[in-house]
Amino acid sequence: AQTVTQSQPEMSVQEAETVTLSCTYDTSENNYYLFWYKQPPSRQMILVIRQEAYKQQNATENRFSVNFQKAAKSFSLKISDSQLGDTAMYFCAFRNTGNQFYFGTGTSLTVIP
Amino acid sequence: DAGVIQSPRHEVTEMGQEVTLRCKPISGHDYLFWYRQTMMRGLELLIYFNNNVPIDDSGMPEDRFSAKMPNASFSTLKIQPSEPRDSAVYFCASSNSPGLAGLSSYNEQFFGPGTRLTVL
Repeated sequence: AQTVTQSQPEMSVQEAETVTLSCTYDTSENNYYLFWYKQPPSRQMILVIRQEAYKQQNATENRFSVNFQKAAKSFSLKISDSQLGDTAMYFCAFRNTGNQFYFGTGTSLTVIP
Repeated sequence: DAGVIQSPRHEVTEMGQEVTLRCKPISGHDYLFWYRQTMMRGLELLIYFNNNVPIDDSGMPEDRFSAKMPNASFSTLKIQPSEPRDSAVYFCASSNSPGLAGLSSYNEQFFGPGTRLTVL
């Protein structure tokens, strides 16, 4: 079975600084998909960024980027120029080819003004 | 598209009452997922459907919980009788099938806004 581990329950960052959230996963599959979701206080789950395991290039979406290390089964999220609106719970998720999703336990990020 | 729609957004009920949560997935999506989120247990997958058929209900906590998907545009999650420990936020999410031509291969899940259930 696949598992997703987020080892940082809580993190904080100063506004305008950069922060990295870690995520590791365990799978025996070769192709799969990885996601980061953001859940602000409104509770809405919002997709932040996604990565396909076959793609070597790390995904980037504006201030959000990932460091995908397939051999190490690591998928960290980097947030640059942190903004107050980035304060949220962040979930790492894994999807296998059978469309089964596995979510991590989340990292609560606080951006400090 | 309006996204995944859930109703009600908030539900307060008394122990022993029946609770029905509703979900309308994104049109064209053929997978539907029900999750429960609590502080103690995080995000838990309860059940998911493909083409209206339940595929995996191993996450349903007990017989008091049941879910149906009578058609492609509607699903319900019912708790009968409800208990205080059922208090949580319940999310519905939908996605399309992997590999369908012309669609994103990522098949990410799109979440509804959630239903906050409080059982007194």
